[in-house]
Amino acid sequence: DTGVSQNPRHKITKRGQNVTFRCDPISEHNRLYWYRQTLGQGPEFLTYFQNEAQLEKSRLLSDRFSAERPKGSFSTLEIQRTEQGDSAMYLCASSSFGKSGNTIYFGEGSWLTVV
Amino acid sequence: GQSLEQPSEVTAVEGAIVQINCTYQTSGFYGLSWYQQHDGGAPTFLSYNGLDGLEETGRFSSFLSRSDSYGYLLLQELQMKDSASYFCAVDHTNAGKSTFGDGTTLTVKP
Repeated sequence: DTGVSQNPRHKITKRGQNVTFRCDPISEHNRLYWYRQTLGQGPEFLTYFQNEAQLEKSRLLSDRFSAERPKGSFSTLEIQRTEQGDSAMYLCASSSFGKSGNTIYFGEGSWLTVV
Repeated sequence: GQSLEQPSEVTAVEGAIVQINCTYQTSGFYGLSWYQQHDGGAPTFLSYNGLDGLEETGRFSSFLSRSDSYGYLLLQELQMKDSASYFCAVDHTNAGKSTFGDGTTLTVKP
């Protein structure tokens, strides 16, 4: 069990450029989540996959954001035409349901800075 | 809408006990989770309450009262390494979206 892996860990991009983040979840977990976190705030839900199906998507996720999980394993989060307000840490998480409810295991996050 | 309230900051001394409260107003409640996050790190799971009552995990305990929409995290025998942010989070179903509070910054002093 190598944990949830995210890359790149840091990305600086110019406003208007597209960026893509990758997430590799814990291998036996079929649930995968994307959250966004800014300084002083808790993680905000963006979207959720069960296997390859995207089952939930936040209203926060504008049309510029798209997430995929093509084979039910790794996932990508793409942000098109980035804006300064997109600067945040993007957290991927995976989970399995058990005695402790839906325990979410987070990756180390991908920091995005839009300049 | 969804809202969770927790104190923004708490300070305590090494060896003490501290309680971090969380009240919530949400549509759809399945359980309450607690996470710890050190500066620059990822949130890590601490505890979960699906039913009313106390859950104990080592130095950490968590309590839930569904009728009061209230829970707390109790940290005992505080250590310097416990200095971190602590988040309560409502699980709305047994999968899918969780809504997080804005976190409580705990500072442990010698």
